[in-house]
Amino acid sequence: DAGVIQSPRHEVTEMGQEVTLRCKPISGHDYLFWYRQTMMRGLELLIYFNNNVPIDDSGMPEDRFSAKMPNASFSTLKIQPSEPRDSAVYFCASSLASSGNTIYFGEGSWLTVV
Amino acid sequence: GDSVTQMEGPVTLSEEAFLTINCTYTATGYPSLFWYVQYPGEGLQLLLKATKADDKGSNKGFEATYRKETTSFHLEKGSVQVSDSAVYFCALNTGGATNKLIFGTGTLLAVQP
Repeated sequence: DAGVIQSPRHEVTEMGQEVTLRCKPISGHDYLFWYRQTMMRGLELLIYFNNNVPIDDSGMPEDRFSAKMPNASFSTLKIQPSEPRDSAVYFCASSLASSGNTIYFGEGSWLTVV
Repeated sequence: GDSVTQMEGPVTLSEEAFLTINCTYTATGYPSLFWYVQYPGEGLQLLLKATKADDKGSNKGFEATYRKETTSFHLEKGSVQVSDSAVYFCALNTGGATNKLIFGTGTLLAVQP
C-alpha cells in the first residue's frame, strides 16, 4: 500500500514567491496533518483536518500560511508570500481514527527560501 | 497541557553498546505512546507503539514499556549498530476529539564503529 505522498520533495524559491506544497494521504485515512520541522523549533503541528474539515489551525504561523483539503485524497499547504524564515521541512501525515491513533508520515518537502 | 519530555542528546555510543533514551509524559487522559525514528535526510518512521499501561512495544530490537505509574516510555536496545544512528522522537496521542501527536524534542543517537 502506498504511503503518504508529498510533492515537491525539494524546493528552492526566492523571497516573496508563492509556494504550494501538496499531499496525498493514505487511502481511506480520515485525518490529515501538516507539520513543520526546523532545528530551532523542532516538530510543530501547523494544522490538521478530519474528514476534510480543518479541526485545529492554531499552529499556523500567520496569515501568509493557508491549507486546504478539497477532497479526501488531496491537501495543499500554501505560503504567500514566502520569507527566508519559512525555510524548513514540511511533513504531511495521515491516520485512521479507528486504527489506534497511529499517524504515518510522508517523506517531507524540503523548502529553502532565499 | 499534554507534553513529552525526552533526554537531551546527542547520545554517542560504540557499536554493540546498550541504549536507553528516556521519555516521560504529562497527559490528562490515557494516551497512546509512540517512538518515531528519523534517519538523515528522511521523514519520520514509526518505530514502535503502546496503547495502554504495561504494554510493551517492540521492533527491530528496540523495546519500550508503557509505565503509567512513572509516566514513562523509555526506549531501549540491547546492542546498537552503526545503522541505528538517527534522531529518535517520543510522542503521545490522547486520541478522541484531539487526535494529534505531541512530540518530544528528539534525541540524536550517534553510533561509532
